[in-house]
This record gives sequence, C-alpha cells and structure tokens, in this order.
Amino acid sequence: GAGVSQSPSNKVTEKGKDVELRCDPISGHTALYWYRQSLGQGLEFLIYFQGNSAPDKSGLPSDRFSAERTGGSVSTLTIQRTQQEDSAVYLCASSFYGKETQYFGPGTRLLVL
Amino acid sequence: KQEVTQIPAALSVPEGENLVLNCSFTDSAIYNLQWFRQDPGKGLTSLLLIQSSQREQTSGRLNASLDKSSGRSTLYIAASQPGDSATYLCAVTGGGNKLTFGTGTQLKVEL
Repeated sequence: GAGVSQSPSNKVTEKGKDVELRCDPISGHTALYWYRQSLGQGLEFLIYFQGNSAPDKSGLPSDRFSAERTGGSVSTLTIQRTQQEDSAVYLCASSFYGKETQYFGPGTRLLVL
Repeated sequence: KQEVTQIPAALSVPEGENLVLNCSFTDSAIYNLQWFRQDPGKGLTSLLLIQSSQREQTSGRLNASLDKSSGRSTLYIAASQPGDSATYLCAVTGGGNKLTFGTGTQLKVEL
C-alpha cells in the first residue's frame, strides 16, 4: 500500500519568502507528526495532530511556523518569512493512533538562500 | 526534558560481524522505544518498536532490548551485511506522543 508522501521533495527559496510543505499520511492513520532534521540540531519534533483534538504545537520554533490538517488527512506546514536557519529536511510521519509505530515520509529538503 | 544519547556515534565493522548499538535516555517515563534506520538522503524506516512493558523485540537478524528502569536500550545486529550500512536512530515516546530522537549511530559494514 501507499506510504507517507511529501511534496515537494526539494524546495529552494529566498530569505523572507513564505513556503508551504505538504504531507499525505497513510490512509486510515489518525495521528500525524511533523519533525525537522538539521545538521546542528538533529531530529526534532515540531507539531502533532491526533484526530479532531487540538494539535500539540509545543515544538514549533517560532510563530512564523504553522500547520493545519484538513479533513483529518492531508497536512500543510507553512513557514512565513523564511530565514536561513530554517534550512533543513522536514519530515512527516503518521501512525494508526498515538504511541504506535510512526511511519515516515521521504522528507522535503528546504534550502533558504 | 528527555535526552537521548547514542553510542558510538560511528562504527565500522567487517562483513559478518555481530554488533551492538547503544541508546540511553534520561527520563524512564516512556511509553515505547523505536529503532529506525536512515539511508543517505532518505526518510526513516522503522525497524522495531518495544512497548514500555516489554523487554525485547526481534525481527530477522535484529534484536532490540529495553531496560526501562536504567534508561537503556540496545540494538543487536547479527551477521552484518554491507546493506546494513546506514544511520541508526533510537527514539522514545513520552508525554504527548511525540518522539524524542537520539543523536544516531552511523554504521558502515565493509566487504
């Protein structure tokens, strides 16, 4: 079956521009997560959606970052006024419900010039 | 704040050798622990998940153990192969269901 998909696979943008990253979770998975992997920080949690509950936004690094999940499926991570330190690989994962095995997408490689 | 550490940071072994990767975490209040592998330029592939009530899990040549009280996990790889070359990450699930990742062990299995 189809795994987690993310688009675009690569994104190059100029400092100050807004970007949107998309994640399609595995069908039927109620939990969706965003993580960021950067050279200096390793893999870090950003945000978690579970069903219709309010998302856990505790990992978002600043108010320039936001995410939404429409219809309990597709999610979009938006970064406003991008900075060079936002350059990283953004990974999305989904699970059947929280605390179960998380399945990761291939990631979006973001480069801010 | 949960902190996860992996030792060694890098490891190079000849093909066929058995090896052990180590993971330690500071807060023992976890729901589960997962081991992942990451190939260069790729996402993460889940290898094994151990629930907090379990002691070990096995899949093929892989065996992962968990000692929750001491905050330690090991990943044992038997009869290593060049295809096992990758970065191995452990991660724990605590409050809020989010994963806290270790720093990773970069493994190279040489012919």
